[in-house]
Amino acid sequence: NAGVTQTPKFQVLKTGQSMTLQCAQDMNHNSMYWYRQDPGMGLRLIYYSASEGTTDKGEVPNGYNVSRLNKREFSLRLESAAPSQTSVYFCASIWGLEAFFGQGTRLTVV
Amino acid sequence: GESVGLHLPTLSVQEGDNSIINCAYSNSASDYFIWYKQESGKGPQFIIDIRSNMDKRQGQRVTVLLNKTVKHLSLQIAATQPGDSAVYFCAETANRDDKIIFGKGTRLHILP
Repeated sequence: NAGVTQTPKFQVLKTGQSMTLQCAQDMNHNSMYWYRQDPGMGLRLIYYSASEGTTDKGEVPNGYNVSRLNKREFSLRLESAAPSQTSVYFCASIWGLEAFFGQGTRLTVV
Repeated sequence: GESVGLHLPTLSVQEGDNSIINCAYSNSASDYFIWYKQESGKGPQFIIDIRSNMDKRQGQRVTVLLNKTVKHLSLQIAATQPGDSAVYFCAETANRDDKIIFGKGTRLHILP
């Protein structure tokens, strides 16, 4: 039982490049979230999906898009990466009030 | 990782003493409050939650107190151990199906 799996774990992008962060959960949860974590800023919600087929903006959605491909998978896309998007990205699968987090993706945009 | 903890407020506590971590929340419409623990290099882990109709809830070695009048939440850890060293976040949500918003976090440092 893997829980929440994020790929990749590390990535370096050049400004303007695009990439997709993948997230999959095997707990059959309806809700999945994407957060970013910056020094001194805590976790900020980018987008969330309350159920398969729905997505909603969080606190900091600009520069990102998401796809809830099916109940298991929720991907985060950066269409044109900027240095301000250098961060650690966490995917979470939610059951009630309990969020189960992946190990994180450390993204650097140069 | 360590870079996540930069600029966070830090609480230093002697091993064996009790720790009290505080959090101020902003949304008076929030109905549930949650504490998470994040160890270095890992994602946050759920510790305990409390609903707005309660003012105290106890778990194993932890107690959460809620003061809605001043929008203040605290996490008390009894007999602090080295394994409690982490960054602690409070979070809030309007209901069990709504988005969960995190606070900035506090680093707990255990002194030997």
